Amino acid sequence: SYELTQPLSVSLALGQTAKITCGGNDIGSKNVHWYQQKPGQAPVLVIYRDSKRPSGIPERFSGSNSGNTATLTISRAQAGDEADYYCQVWDSSTDVVFGGGTKLTVL
Amino acid sequence: QVQLQESGPGLVKPSETLSLTCTVSGGSVSSGSYYWSWIRQPPGKGLEWIGYIYQSGSTNYNPSLKSRVTISADTSKNQFSLKLSSVTAADTAVYFCARATVVTTHFDHWGQGILVTVSS
Repeated sequence: SYELTQPLSVSLALGQTAKITCGGNDIGSKNVHWYQQKPGQAPVLVIYRDSKRPSGIPERFSGSNSGNTATLTISRAQAGDEADYYCQVWDSSTDVVFGGGTKLTVL
Repeated sequence: QVQLQESGPGLVKPSETLSLTCTVSGGSVSSGSYYWSWIRQPPGKGLEWIGYIYQSGSTNYNPSLKSRVTISADTSKNQFSLKLSSVTAADTAVYFCARATVVTTHFDHWGQGILVTVSS
């Protein structure tokens, strides 16, 4: 079965740039989507198809995907960006796969 | 604006069947453009895809849950439902219903989630 690997946590200072990775075998050949989840809330889509932003998502959120790693980048991090972030792909053998999630802390 | 809302019992006894319904407004569960899905999240843990129904009839399930899961749809009520049999404490989780686009495979709309606790 296909697996996605994310770091458990990422910490950074207010205003810095956060990079959250999502590793998977040849993930560059797949569409990668990213979700933000705050405590007690449903996930919210922040990036789809590797690098596209849904309406209402700030330009500070961007994504890239190549080789075995996809990356979610959050520029000029704000306190309100503190959340869990999940990557997701749709794999031909296992359908929907989520990464384990990364807790982003903004100090 | 599409909205999804989960409903069902918040407490289920071990070995019994968990049953939840997702009511959709602003969209049709008969649409061939979307996979209508169930996803769960155990307390303090990550997201786990359970399965989906497509065009009110075709289904696909997570292999790890396949033997216990049934997803169905009621087009007259614009709802889709989840049944998970023989539950244990490990099935305690927040259950989300969500819509995924067929073309790009991302989940663009989610319900608020419902906590289901398995306990006697």
